[in-house]
Amino acid sequence: DAGVIQSPRHEVTEMGQEVTLRCKPISGHNSLFWYRQTMMRGLELLIYFNNNVPIDDSGMPEDRFSAKMPNASFSTLKIQPSEPRDSAVYFCASTQSGTRTDTQYFGPGTRLTVL
Amino acid sequence: GENVEQHPSTLSVQEGDSAVIKCTYSDSASNYFPWYKQELGKGPQLIIDIRSNVGEKKDQRIAVTLNKTAKHFSLHITETQPEDSAVYFCAASKQGQNFVFGPGTRLSVLP
Repeated sequence: DAGVIQSPRHEVTEMGQEVTLRCKPISGHNSLFWYRQTMMRGLELLIYFNNNVPIDDSGMPEDRFSAKMPNASFSTLKIQPSEPRDSAVYFCASTQSGTRTDTQYFGPGTRLTVL
Repeated sequence: GENVEQHPSTLSVQEGDSAVIKCTYSDSASNYFPWYKQELGKGPQLIIDIRSNVGEKKDQRIAVTLNKTAKHFSLHITETQPEDSAVYFCAASKQGQNFVFGPGTRLSVLP
């Protein structure tokens, strides 16, 4: 299995631009998580989906952030408009929740820099 | 909601010595406690986990202990090697959802 796949690996954009981060979870996993990691705040859960349905988006910073999961093999995290304080590494993770195997697997992350 | 604390924030040990990292959690309903290792430029990787029906689990040089009454769990690394140097995160979860991570411990193993 290729593991969780994220793209792009690096993104540099200017303030005000729209940014879209993409994630392909591990095949067969039914839960998907988006995290943001910064030096100041560590790993923060932004939103997670179960069976493609958003379960908890209380970690989404503000309305500029939105996430979708149109099918079991794809999710996007969009920031519009982006701001310099959004600069961070964004991780996607997936798991097969509700079973004995609920280990969470992380992707390699997308390093976002907003100038 | 759940709150996970982790100590120490940094830890330096000599190669061959043991390292211990401790975490506490607040929600007694949490029942799954994974530990992750994150190397520079990579995503966190699971190294060991423990469920609430088990008190201890071991995998070669790594072990985890869980005290449900006190709501704390610890990671033990024996015979540390330079390649163990990384940031380690503990986490607590209920039913494989709503993961809450600790702030991390930067472990340095000195040759």
